[in-house]
Amino acid sequence: AQSVSQHNHHVILSEAASLELGCNYSYGGTVNLFWYVQYPGQHLQLLLKYFSGDPLVKGIKGFEAEFIKSKFSFNLRKPSVQWSDTAEYFCAVIPYSGTYKYIFGTGTRLKVLA
Amino acid sequence: NAGVTQTPKFQVLKTGQSMTLQCAQDMNHEYMSWYRQDPGMGLRLIHYSVGAGITDQGEVPNGYNVSRSTTEDFPLRLLSAAPSQTSVYFCASSYRGAGGSYNEQFFGPGTRLTVL
Repeated sequence: AQSVSQHNHHVILSEAASLELGCNYSYGGTVNLFWYVQYPGQHLQLLLKYFSGDPLVKGIKGFEAEFIKSKFSFNLRKPSVQWSDTAEYFCAVIPYSGTYKYIFGTGTRLKVLA
Repeated sequence: NAGVTQTPKFQVLKTGQSMTLQCAQDMNHEYMSWYRQDPGMGLRLIHYSVGAGITDQGEVPNGYNVSRSTTEDFPLRLLSAAPSQTSVYFCASSYRGAGGSYNEQFFGPGTRLTVL
């Protein structure tokens, strides 16, 4: 079955530290990839997405992600986190064709200490 | 555009009661879906629809019904509420891009449901 794994469930960082959150998916075909952020008490919002082309994609608020096809990975990065980045982060994929189900990871809860 | 709207924002039910969670979008998106979010479990797909008159089951469909009579609306019905259905419910919509694949989802604000 298709799945998305986010290995880091909880991450605690100090302000200005660098962030990398892992995301791996299992699906043999082409997928579209997404990272969403959910601030406390709010709904999910799109951070960035990858469909094709340059495997390094930039999103909002200084976030970026790199798609490595050989590793089935789409890791999220930010060079210097801020207190306001405290949130839960979700990786998601949808196969390019054949099924219409978005598959989400279980999320990574990030806490940034001021 | 209002985007994706959900009502109610909060609801408390007693075991065995039924209710409908409303979801509407004004972006003319053909794809709509319902998720439940529980701590440590991420988002789990309940039902989804790729167009009016077309619905399908997701990962956790038991105890829930949906219908899609219009492009705009996608209500979720709880047939006989159980405490295990206590959760936060999110509705989302999406659209196909030029290449034919689905783009990002737009999420509603959520409904927090408690079943006693």
